[in-house]
Amino acid sequence: QKEVEQDPGPLSVPEGAIVSLNCTYSNSAFQYFMWYRQYSRKGPELLMYTYSSGNKEDGRFTAQVDKSSKYISLFIRDSQPSDSATYLCAMSPSGSARQLTFGSGTQLTVLP
Amino acid sequence: KAGVTQTPRYLIKTRGQQVTLSCSPISGHRSVSWYQQTPGQGLQFLFEYFSETQRNKGNFPGRFSGRQFSNSRSEMNVSTLELGDSALYLCASSEDGRAYEQYFGPGTRLTVT
Repeated sequence: QKEVEQDPGPLSVPEGAIVSLNCTYSNSAFQYFMWYRQYSRKGPELLMYTYSSGNKEDGRFTAQVDKSSKYISLFIRDSQPSDSATYLCAMSPSGSARQLTFGSGTQLTVLP
Repeated sequence: KAGVTQTPRYLIKTRGQQVTLSCSPISGHRSVSWYQQTPGQGLQFLFEYFSETQRNKGNFPGRFSGRQFSNSRSEMNVSTLELGDSALYLCASSEDGRAYEQYFGPGTRLTVT
């Protein structure tokens, strides 16, 4: 079993919809939680990061971490066609914060 | 500031050969990490360098190695290439004290035939 599980999708939603992306993990040592967006033939782009549990909001994006359930989420409000990409969750322990373990990615398409 | 740059962008090699990939981090970033991305295994951590020292290494065979220079530029080398080494190799850089904020380059697409 992988340390980080992510539903690969694909996920297709109409423009303006609220999108929910999720990951579960098994390693209790993970303290840093990140969400990356990757467009085709590009490197991943950091969207948000959270340390330990809690919520964080940045514009249309909200990240939630529930360490008791080992579950993290990314919500995208008012989704746009430009949000169409693969979304990757990533996490790392505090002692090796740069050693990221990634989920497999969820492919999102926002239809105009 | 310029982003992370990786050269070459595309590479085709034959089984048994070796290859060297290069990464130039964002100016001022002293940490460079390398990742392998394949359709089957996704993104996997290879190693991390900081101030010319390898700090962490992922679960890859010894054929995969790397180094970092005094100007923070990094190279990774793969010897005795296998078909399964075909992948997108990504490097990421980050500032001191902001380990959670890694910036990725566009990657080098390696094809082994």
